[in-house]
Amino acid sequence: QKEVEQDPGPLSVPEGAIVSLNCTYSNSAFQYFMWYRQYSRKGPELLMYTYSSGNKEDGRFTAQVDKSSKYISLFIRDSQPSDSATYLCAMVGGSNYKLTFGKGTLLTVNP
Amino acid sequence: EAGVTQFPSHSVIEKGQTVTLRCDPISGHDNLYWYRRVMGKEIKFLLHFVKESKQDESGMPNNRFLAERTGGTYSTLKVQPAELEDSGVYFCASSQDFIYTFGSGTRLTVV
Repeated sequence: QKEVEQDPGPLSVPEGAIVSLNCTYSNSAFQYFMWYRQYSRKGPELLMYTYSSGNKEDGRFTAQVDKSSKYISLFIRDSQPSDSATYLCAMVGGSNYKLTFGKGTLLTVNP
Repeated sequence: EAGVTQFPSHSVIEKGQTVTLRCDPISGHDNLYWYRRVMGKEIKFLLHFVKESKQDESGMPNNRFLAERTGGTYSTLKVQPAELEDSGVYFCASSQDFIYTFGSGTRLTVV
């Protein structure tokens, strides 16, 4: 079983839609839960992170963690064409801050 | 603040040749990481430097890969001799804690 599972999509939505991206994980030692956005030919860029169960909001983005279910989500409200990218969940456990990534979900927001 | 710089951005080499990838981290970041994404797979950890010391090299695929970090500044990743399965995108990241900044990656193609 992989430590982090993420549906690779692709996911295509119309502009203005609410997008829901999800990951599950199996390693209870994960302490930090991150969402990265990656545009084509670029490196991953940190969008949000959290370390506790519950919701964290930043503008149009909300990160949600449910440690009891080992499930994390990223919601994007009022999606824009500029949100089109690959979204990667990643998790950190241990003192060396090594990241374990999901496969990434390719999102396209159509104008 | 300058970001993480990687070069070359793209390299095409023949099987059996040697390639050296370079990463210049953000100045002052003690942690430097190498990750790799092969086609269809997750981004996976290769190794971690703290300053000039290798902290964790558990993700290095085999002894054809050699990483160095000179004086705790830039890092190089050498593949010698390259094999077809080494093709992928190699990312470098630097950090002071669990908040990484990634470079744009080096796309390596072994033919």
